[in-house]
Amino acid sequence: DAGVIQSPRHEVTEMGQEVTLRCKPISGHNSLFWYRQTMMRGLELLIYFNNNVPIDDSGMPEDRFSAKMPNASFSTLKIQPSEPRDSAVYFCASSYRGGSNQPQHFGDGTRLSIL
Amino acid sequence: AQSVTQLDSHVSVSEGTPVLLRCNYSSSYSPSLFWYVQHPNKGLQLLLKYTSAATLVKGINGFEAEFKKSETSFHLTKPSAHMSDAAEYFCVVSEKKSSGDKLTFGTGTRLAVRP
Repeated sequence: DAGVIQSPRHEVTEMGQEVTLRCKPISGHNSLFWYRQTMMRGLELLIYFNNNVPIDDSGMPEDRFSAKMPNASFSTLKIQPSEPRDSAVYFCASSYRGGSNQPQHFGDGTRLSIL
Repeated sequence: AQSVTQLDSHVSVSEGTPVLLRCNYSSSYSPSLFWYVQHPNKGLQLLLKYTSAATLVKGINGFEAEFKKSETSFHLTKPSAHMSDAAEYFCVVSEKKSSGDKLTFGTGTRLAVRP
């Protein structure tokens, strides 16, 4: 039973470069979430989708961040241009929003370092 | 507005002794509550969830938690710690909204297990 799959696991790039993080949710899940985790701020929700539609992007830090979900099995989080303060671990999670408060299932994250 | 307070940022126990990780929450509505565990370089894994059924909830790996509405607490316990329990633990409260379930994460408790 495949869980949430994120790629790449690690990304190191120079500031100013475009970064694209990828996520494949669990098959059958209809909600997808992007989080950022840092020591200073803990786990922050960036954006989430229901049925491929962005519902709440109030957590997206600034216009340099964008997220898409072109279909039910794929989502991307893009940072352009990247800055050193974007360095963090980015998690994708998915859930089935049909029952009562179904738990979210997390991928193993992408560790992003912007030099 | 909902919030979660994890009272201890670090807890250290000896192998074979009981574990207690404390969590208090506030919520305007009847919340659902979760405990997640995060091992190094991994995503968050669901340990257990409370969704207004039995107040004592059993999870994986021998963990359990008791929902106490009068104390607004949802403390996580385990009778006997194992070395593999060393990880970070997050208490999470969820409220159902028309736009989707909103999760609020605690700041985490890092559990160390001494041989």
